[in-house]
Amino acid sequence: AQKVTQAQTEISVVEKEDVTLDCVYETRDTTYYLFWYKQPPSGELVFLIRRNSFDEQNEISGRYSWNFQKSTSSFNFTITASQVVDSAVYFCALSEATGGGADGLTFGKGTHLIIQP
Amino acid sequence: DAGITQSPRHKVTETGTPVTLRCHQTENHRYMYWYRQDPGHGLRLIHYSYGVKDTDKGEVSDGYSVSRSKTEDFLLTLESATSSQTSVYFCAISEELAGQETQYFGPGTRLLVL
Repeated sequence: AQKVTQAQTEISVVEKEDVTLDCVYETRDTTYYLFWYKQPPSGELVFLIRRNSFDEQNEISGRYSWNFQKSTSSFNFTITASQVVDSAVYFCALSEATGGGADGLTFGKGTHLIIQP
Repeated sequence: DAGITQSPRHKVTETGTPVTLRCHQTENHRYMYWYRQDPGHGLRLIHYSYGVKDTDKGEVSDGYSVSRSKTEDFLLTLESATSSQTSVYFCAISEELAGQETQYFGPGTRLLVL
């Protein structure tokens, strides 16, 4: 069975600090897909990134970066120079290869990130 | 914007009453999903559909049924609502980009069962 663990329930940092959100996953499949979603206080779920298991390149998008390490089954998310608008709950999720990745997602419990001005 | 709407957005009902939530999409996506979000649990998959009249159970399907008679609509029914089904319900579609599927979510329905 697949599982996603986000051990950090809540993180609070001061604006402009860098912050890393941890995600550890378990799966028996050799091909799988990892995702990060953001849920701001308004409640909608916003897709941030998708990573395939066969692509271990790290990704950077502006102040956001993702570090994928198959050896440790981790897919961590770093926000550089955090801003108040980054305050949200962040979810890591996993989908296995069956169905081409169109099966349902298994989510972690989320990390509530608070950026203090 | 993946063109997903959910109705109603908020609902209060009483234990034992039937409730149907609707998810509507406008872009002809094949795959649709229902999740529930509860504090301390993240999101959990209830049911999903891979085409008209083709559905399957997710992790927490007990007490729920679904129907998909048209590509654009995916209905979630609570036959007899219980207080444990108080939750926020999210619908999602899967969009294929470059041969890879990514799920996008609707705005959510907040359901309170008294």
